[in-house]
Amino acid sequence: EDQVTQSPEALRLQEGESSSLNCSYTVSGLRGLFWYRQDPGKGPEFLFTLYSAGEEKEKERLKATLTKKESFLHITAPKPEDSATYLCAVKAAGNKLTFGGGTRVLVKP
Amino acid sequence: ETGVTQTPRHLVMGMTNKKSLKCEQHLGHNAMYWYKQSAKKPLELMFVYNFKEQTENNSVPSRFSPECPNSSHLFLHLHTLQPEDSALYLCASSPTSLSTDTQYFGPGTRLTVL
Repeated sequence: EDQVTQSPEALRLQEGESSSLNCSYTVSGLRGLFWYRQDPGKGPEFLFTLYSAGEEKEKERLKATLTKKESFLHITAPKPEDSATYLCAVKAAGNKLTFGGGTRVLVKP
Repeated sequence: ETGVTQTPRHLVMGMTNKKSLKCEQHLGHNAMYWYKQSAKKPLELMFVYNFKEQTENNSVPSRFSPECPNSSHLFLHLHTLQPEDSALYLCASSPTSLSTDTQYFGPGTRLTVL
């Protein structure tokens, strides 16, 4: 069974304090790893898709990387508006997107 | 409107009521999904539709009944729910249900069952 574990569960940062979120996965035949951002009371907002080990993608202050066992979401010089829950999900063959529990990030000014 | 929309955004119902959640996508996608998000639990896939055909039912109780009349609309019919069914119900769509396709989510319906 596909499994996704995100750590830490919660992260408090000062504005400008860079950090990384971890997503460890166990899946047979990874087809894609997805990062989403979710604000309270809203649906997940798509950020990145990574398909193979060694791949990296960037968007503003966020950078996602992928290895054979885990993915990292690096937040560089975060701002208060980066406060959200960040969700990681994986897909093997088939339709099912398996999500991790998320990391709640709070960036204080 | 663009993207994926869901109505209503909030719903309170009694255990004997019947209600429906509606999802509409304006992205030209052919696959649509229902997810449940409960407090302190990861997002759980409920149903998948691909080109209007149901392709996955993730062991969901029969008190939840999906309907997909066309590739743009998805409904979730609710009847005789339990308080533990209170959650955020999210709809998503993707170009197809291929495993590499990205899913895009709606804002969700916050359901409270009394």
